[in-house]
Amino acid sequence: SQTIHQWPATLVQPVGSPLSLECTVEGTSNPNLYWYRQAAGRGLQLLFYSVGIGQISSEVPQNLSASRPQDRQFILSSKKLLLSDSGFYLCAWSMVNWRAEAFFGQGTRLTVV
Amino acid sequence: KNQVEQSPQSLIILEGKNCTLQCNYTVSPFSNLRWYKQDTGRGPVSLTIMTFSENTKSNGRYTATLDADTKQSSLHITASQLSDSASYICVVATDSWGKFQFGAGTQVVVTP
Repeated sequence: SQTIHQWPATLVQPVGSPLSLECTVEGTSNPNLYWYRQAAGRGLQLLFYSVGIGQISSEVPQNLSASRPQDRQFILSSKKLLLSDSGFYLCAWSMVNWRAEAFFGQGTRLTVV
Repeated sequence: KNQVEQSPQSLIILEGKNCTLQCNYTVSPFSNLRWYKQDTGRGPVSLTIMTFSENTKSNGRYTATLDADTKQSSLHITASQLSDSASYICVVATDSWGKFQFGAGTQVVVTP
C-alpha cells in the first residue's frame, strides 16, 4: 500500500532562518506531488506541484521554493523565512488518472517568530 | 475569487442529529468532486468521490450528492457522532492529471 511521510510535525523558526520540509511517498512510482499551505480558517492553497523529477510548477509567487531530487521525494525550502510564512503545510500525492485522489501527509505546523 | 464555495462556514449540532453541508463550484473543466474530512492538525482524508455521471455516493453515515448541471454538491451526515467534529472540505478536480481546487471547508462541531 502507498504511504506518505512528512516531517517535522511542528517547527518553530526565527525570522530570517532557512527552512527545509521533506515529504516522501512509498509504494508508488511517478506520482504527482503537491505542497499546500493552510492558513487558519482558510482553505488549502496550492503552492507547488510536480509531475516528475526536477519538474516544479509554482502556483503563487512567494518566499518559498520546492525541489524534487528523487521520484518520490518533495522538498519545500526557504532561504530566509518571513513572519507571513507561518502556517500549516501539507504535502500530498496523486496518480495521473481521471479518478485522481490526493492523499495527504499529516502536515507541518510552522511558526515563524 | 475561490472557484469552490462552501456553506455554512461552521455549524454546531447535537450528537445524534443530522446535518447537510453545501458546496457550489464554478470550476471548469470538471473531472470529479471529492469530500474530505480534516481533523484538527491533521491531513485531510477522502470520504467520497463522484464524477459528473454520479449523483449520489455513500460512505457509512456520510452521503454526498452531486448536480453537475447546477454545479452543486452536498454532504449529509446522518446520526452525528462526537468523532464527526472536523472540517469538511469540498475539492473539485479540474482535469484528468489531478489538479485540484479546494473549498475553504465547513467546520462541524458535534456536542453531547
